Amino acid sequence: DAKTTQPNSMESNEEEPVHLPCNHSTISGTDYIHWYRQLPSQGPEYVIHGLTSNVNNRMASLAIAEDRKSSTLILHRATLRDAAVYYCILSNTGNQFYFGTGTSLTVIP
Amino acid sequence: SQTIHQWPATLVQPVGSPLSLECTVEGTSNPNLYWYRQAAGRGLQLLFYSVGIGQISSEVPQNLSASRPQDRQFILSSKKLLLSDSGFYLCAWSRRVGYTFGSGTRLTVV
Repeated sequence: DAKTTQPNSMESNEEEPVHLPCNHSTISGTDYIHWYRQLPSQGPEYVIHGLTSNVNNRMASLAIAEDRKSSTLILHRATLRDAAVYYCILSNTGNQFYFGTGTSLTVIP
Repeated sequence: SQTIHQWPATLVQPVGSPLSLECTVEGTSNPNLYWYRQAAGRGLQLLFYSVGIGQISSEVPQNLSASRPQDRQFILSSKKLLLSDSGFYLCAWSRRVGYTFGSGTRLTVV
């Protein structure tokens, strides 16, 4: 029951910025926007989350559209270790996460 | 700090055999607990979630069951495994916002 749409795959050159888009046109006013990433044979790892305002942390930035119907995860300088599947997920506090198919990011050396 | 333990890391079981995967959380109380499965090359599918001891909600009817005998323990079971039960099983916990996932169990049914 994923409520987000992401491109299946993207490529980026190493040390260049990467912008991963996510559409969530049916987002409700209390839905948080979460981003996780998954490396092969590992559990998903938290990247960032936000509600209305843009967010920054040591891993990435999250840019949220003013109408909240889309968001973009920004990796400022892609490294080979950033190659993973990135998931954009909507969730209310305490509610379940439903994962879509995510975006498979390939980083080219 | 909170940690989540999941074992075993890998498991090979014959068709028709039982299954028990265990997940425990440390450093928090009354967490929400979740079991996910990821088939090869596919996304994560929510199987079960629990908001408290003895409270289990099933997302997808299938050959599996879950139990929560203690606040920080979540168990995934099957009486008879099928080939289609093969996959990568992940346990996760949450309190308010965000999940923390375990390292997963790679189950191969042969």
